[in-house]
Parts: sequence; C-alpha cells; structure tokens
Amino acid sequence: EIVLTQSPATLSLSPGEGATLSCRASQNIYIHLAWYQQRPGQAPRLLIYDATNRATGVPARVSGSGSGTDFTLTIDSLEPEDFAVYYCQQRNSWPRTFGPGTKLEMK
Amino acid sequence: EVQLVESGGDLVQPGGSLRLSCEGSGFTFGAYGMSWVRQAPGKGLEWVSTLSGSGGGIHYSDSVQGRFIISRDNSKNTLYLEMNSLRVDDTAVYYCAKSPVVVGAPYFEYWGQGTLVTVSS
Repeated sequence: EIVLTQSPATLSLSPGEGATLSCRASQNIYIHLAWYQQRPGQAPRLLIYDATNRATGVPARVSGSGSGTDFTLTIDSLEPEDFAVYYCQQRNSWPRTFGPGTKLEMK
Repeated sequence: EVQLVESGGDLVQPGGSLRLSCEGSGFTFGAYGMSWVRQAPGKGLEWVSTLSGSGGGIHYSDSVQGRFIISRDNSKNTLYLEMNSLRVDDTAVYYCAKSPVVVGAPYFEYWGQGTLVTVSS
C-alpha cells in the first residue's frame, strides 16, 4: 500500500498570502496524484488531477506540481473560501490512498 | 449538472447490516466507474470500494473486504453498498463518488453530500 504523508499538518496564513502544501509518497507514483479541498460540513472537491491539471471550475491561482514522490499544491493570494482541509490522493495502485490532510486556517 | 444523492445511513448495532444507495443524475450513469469513500468523525478520507461502469472491475479496501458488497443498477442510475458484520470502527459519513472514466477510479471527480452510518450498541 502506498502511504502518503502531508506537511504541514496545519498552516496558519492570512488572506492575500500564498500557501504551499506538500505531499510525499512512500514510493514512485509518477504523476498519479490528485488534490482535494474539503470545507467544513461539505463533501470533498477535486482540485487537481495528474499532479498538475486543474479540475473544472478551479481558479488559476490554484496550481499543482511535482512527480515521483514529492508533490506540491500552491494557492496564490488566499481568499476566505480557501481556508479548508486539503487532501492528496494517489491513483498509481490499489488500494487508492489519501494523505492525512493539511488544515489551512486563517491567522 | 452532475448530482449524487446518498441514502440509507442509520444507527445500527455491532454485527448488524445496512444497505446504502446513491442515485446519480446529470450524466450517463453506466458509462462511469463509481466508488464509496468514507470519513470517520473528525478524521480523514478512506477509500472503501470501486465498481466499474459495466459492473465488473470490483475493488475493496482490506478493511471491508469480505464484509461489504458494492453493486449497481444502471437502469435505475443507482449505486449500492451492502454492509454486513458492521463494527464500531465502520462509523463514518459514507460518500459516493463518480470516476471520470468507465473502468476503475483514478480520481473522484464528483461527490455526493454523504450519509452517516453509526455503529453502536
């Protein structure tokens, strides 16, 4: 089973600042990584797939990068609606696994 | 607009059974793989099971293998999860999620709002 590790666990930032979230895989997963956003009380929402591709409706200030074992989600100029929990997920093999999440909170 | 609506969540005793349903609309249901993903209270996301559009290509997590059965009725645009021998640690919100492809679930493109399953005596 591929284990995903996310850092930091919590990130405290102010609106207008930029955020960098990391996800590390326990083995090479090429570009087979997605990112999801989950706001309180809501279902997760797909943001990025195959490491760098934005899903439908995701703003351009959200971007993904990385390959192999190290991946990054970057959010430029944080808006109030960006404060949420972010999960990474791998599709390289079964079982599909998620990282433990990074909580992006407002400072 | 893609919509997924789960139902069937309830309070059930350990060892009991429950069947969840997920009705899809706004897309050709049988053309896409569908999955169940759960989230225990205050915890992260855990993939549970995936079923391809044609009804083949079934996958389960080790934690539910042998206890849960995923199925679908494409004529009713509905995905099911039959849950048996339920344990306290199965307590979670269960989401159904649509895949962007017919076989497997590379990613979870659209999600329902979830249904709560509570296993407790």
